[in-house]
Amino acid sequence: ETGVTQSPTHLIKTRGQQVTLRCSSQSGHNTVSWYQQALGQGPQFIFQYYREEENGRGNFPPRFSGLQFPNYSSELNVNALELDDSALYLCASSLGTGGGGGAYNEQFFGPGTRLTVL
Amino acid sequence: GQSLEQPSEVTAVEGAIVQINCTYQTSGFYGLSWYQQHDGGAPTFLSYNGLDGLEETGRFSSFLSRSDSYGYLLLQELQMKDSASYFCAVNSGYSTLTFGKGTMLLVSP
Repeated sequence: ETGVTQSPTHLIKTRGQQVTLRCSSQSGHNTVSWYQQALGQGPQFIFQYYREEENGRGNFPPRFSGLQFPNYSSELNVNALELDDSALYLCASSLGTGGGGGAYNEQFFGPGTRLTVL
Repeated sequence: GQSLEQPSEVTAVEGAIVQINCTYQTSGFYGLSWYQQHDGGAPTFLSYNGLDGLEETGRFSSFLSRSDSYGYLLLQELQMKDSASYFCAVNSGYSTLTFGKGTMLLVSP
């Protein structure tokens, strides 16, 4: 059973550029969530994908977008980068049912991508 | 809105017991999770409370009181390797998590 992997590990961009971050889910998982973690803060929920459809979104602007592929891997795209986008970006995979409510499915986090915007 | 409060830092010695408290105010609540994160690493799941009461997993226990919007993580027989940040996180539906700012635990010899 392979764990969650993310690429790249580190990335430096300049303000206004666009970036794509990638995540491979743990084997058998169909749900991916993305989080942004600023230095000294807890992870903040960006959005979640279940079977290639967006299944929930946090308080992030539309320039944060994502994709999930048939193999359940995922991308996070950020356009028009701002200095405040500098953070650790984490993806987490889980085995979900797509339904709402209280069912909790343990999330397995990847090691993250450290993005620096200059 | 959502807010979670937990202490920013806790210090303890090896072998001791430490409790990290978490209070929350959220618009949707289905349960409380605890995650451990070593510096620069991936958060790793420790425990989940969907119902009131105590959950025990080895040296770690977690407690939830829905009526008090309160939970805690109890770490026993502390080891140096337990030095890390600990986050409480509310499951607000669809297994999405709202995290607190984290508590840095420093374990000294």
